[in-house]
Amino acid sequence: QSALTQPASVSGSPGQSITISCTGTSSDVGSYTYVSWYQQHPGKAPKLMIYDVSNRPSGVSDRFSGSKSGNTASLTISGLQADDEADYYCSSYTSSIYYVFGSGTKVIV
Amino acid sequence: QVQLQESGPGLVKPSQTLSLTCTVSGGSISSTGHYWSWIRQHPGKGLEWIGYIYYTGNTYYHPSLRSRVTISVDTSKNHFSLTLSSVTAADTAVFYCARAREVGTTRTIDYWGQGTLVTVSS
Repeated sequence: QSALTQPASVSGSPGQSITISCTGTSSDVGSYTYVSWYQQHPGKAPKLMIYDVSNRPSGVSDRFSGSKSGNTASLTISGLQADDEADYYCSSYTSSIYYVFGSGTKVIV
Repeated sequence: QVQLQESGPGLVKPSQTLSLTCTVSGGSISSTGHYWSWIRQHPGKGLEWIGYIYYTGNTYYHPSLRSRVTISVDTSKNHFSLTLSSVTAADTAVFYCARAREVGTTRTIDYWGQGTLVTVSS
């Protein structure tokens, strides 16, 4: 099973909104409401930002939101800030590999 | 707040076995609905799920690594371990231990260790 497809990079200016897409198949993203999004700063561990498509863990800013349509999930960051510059990975639970990750997107502010 | 910490050699010779341990603090490894995971990240690349274990000992592995991977758990020490056999340079990566939460309608990996770089080289 291949990694989920994400754009290599997305850029935006401070205060703007950006959206990162995550495209899978009917075997993963399309079949489950178990999409998560992670933020990873250089040299650091991934941090959970969104789970189960659109839920935010406690402590994560409401500037981060998630959605899904068909085989594609999306992460939107509104009011872009300098500290949002990082790599972002999506993940989907699947019945075969259990967890498959996206290829990663570098957000440039 | 659950915390995870990886430990083990940072350098492994080709053809040998990589062994890492993850110590869990701030929570019990025997808690219901939590699966204890290993994930790796090749240098400059994306994340790859390796497998996970439930406190009962049930294991689940990525099909591509199943023949070389063993994950075990020691509930008395609140830690779990990874072994990866017959390593090559292609196994050089940062290895993360993490907790997967699978309760009700939730499936996610919510807590991660800081990661440890393992280099395969002679």
